[in-house]
Amino acid sequence: KQEVTQIPAALSVPEGENLVLNCSFTDSAIYNLQWFRQDPGKGLTSLLLIQSSQREQTSGRLNASLDKSSGRSTLYIAASQPGDSATYLCAGAQGGSEKLVFGKGTKLTVNP
Amino acid sequence: GAGVSQSPRYKVAKRGQDVALRCDPISGHVSLFWYQQALGQGPEFLTYFQNEAQLDKSGLPSDRFFAERPEGSVSTLKIQRTQQEDSAVYLCASSLGVGDYEQYFGPGTRLTVT
Repeated sequence: KQEVTQIPAALSVPEGENLVLNCSFTDSAIYNLQWFRQDPGKGLTSLLLIQSSQREQTSGRLNASLDKSSGRSTLYIAASQPGDSATYLCAGAQGGSEKLVFGKGTKLTVNP
Repeated sequence: GAGVSQSPRYKVAKRGQDVALRCDPISGHVSLFWYQQALGQGPEFLTYFQNEAQLDKSGLPSDRFFAERPEGSVSTLKIQRTQQEDSAVYLCASSLGVGDYEQYFGPGTRLTVT
């Protein structure tokens, strides 16, 4: 059974810092991967999708990469802002299955 | 354009009652998913539809859970004889196609069973 670990579980940083969130899969055969943010009491907002033919994706201050040989992904956030405070979740799909398997998330707090 | 919508947003049910949760996916989206999220956890897969066909229901926790999408658009997740352990947020997601497509999530329905 696929399991996803996200490290760290929580992170508190001052505004302006660059930071890295990590995600790893027990089964490295990941077809594609999405990163989401979740604000308290809200649904999930999709941030980035790394498709099957890709290794990296960028959107604004966010950059995500996926190493398929190891089953590890990182989300890099540049110049963090208080508005980035949220829980960040990674989720992967395996070949032949449409469902996403999620980690428990990293709770990020960016202090002004 | 409109995103995925879910109703009701909050539902309180007494133990033993039946509940029905509705999901309106993004118009034209072929794939529809239901996930369950317990407090402090990541979402867990329940079931998947491609158009009106339910292709994967491996995540449904018991036969009290039933989902349908009869016309390939709106979907309903029904829980019969609710139990306290059913208390969770139920999330619906849709995607444009099959395979390498982004999943878009609705705001969720928070179910509390008392």
